[in-house]
Amino acid sequence: DAKTTQPPSMDCAEGRAANLPCNHSTISGNEYVYWYRQIHSQGPQYIIHGLKNNETNEMASLIITEDRKSSTLILPHATLRDTAVYYCIVRSYTGTASKLTFGTGTRLQVTL
Amino acid sequence: ETGVTQSPTHLIKTRGQQVTLRCSSQSGHNTVSWYQQALGQGPQFIFQYYREEENGRGNFPPRFSGLQFPNYSSELNVNALELDDSALYLCASSQGRATNEKLFFGSGTQLSVL
Repeated sequence: DAKTTQPPSMDCAEGRAANLPCNHSTISGNEYVYWYRQIHSQGPQYIIHGLKNNETNEMASLIITEDRKSSTLILPHATLRDTAVYYCIVRSYTGTASKLTFGTGTRLQVTL
Repeated sequence: ETGVTQSPTHLIKTRGQQVTLRCSSQSGHNTVSWYQQALGQGPQFIFQYYREEENGRGNFPPRFSGLQFPNYSSELNVNALELDDSALYLCASSQGRATNEKLFFGSGTQLSVL
């Protein structure tokens, strides 16, 4: 399984952009990068995913480097409600099943 | 709101007992996956069901088993409960098994084994 490395914690001021980095140097060519977040023992919430092109949706932007060994999740205007644990995940197959292999994530604290 | 519902929300069992957790998938989703999340850890993949067949399993013993029904709802069964089975159990559904299909998670069932 491709392993991801994230900083354990980050702070961001409300209204500023939050840039969360992730390393996935062993990613394979057909494996997608996913980002989820989890707020206080609720179920993980899907944010965004991508293969090799940059992606943007209503929640965030995902920037993937050309060699695909790292990526950055960007929350353009962080609010207090964005305080959560953010997981960067490489989705892989085990047999014919596809699975998410979660690490320990980055705890993002948004402050006033 | 993901459309994935789990029941019950909380459960307390004693060691050695058996438990069944239930999940209702989002409409139109034929694939369900179960994850276990211990306190302070990220979720760990238990298994995945696709069209009523188990098609992949993580590093969990056989006493963890599941079912998927024709309406794509699902059950997770755990026999001979151990103290370490205390965790948040999460169900996630998707439209298919491919790695580009988004998974949507329910709110989970918090299981405590005493």
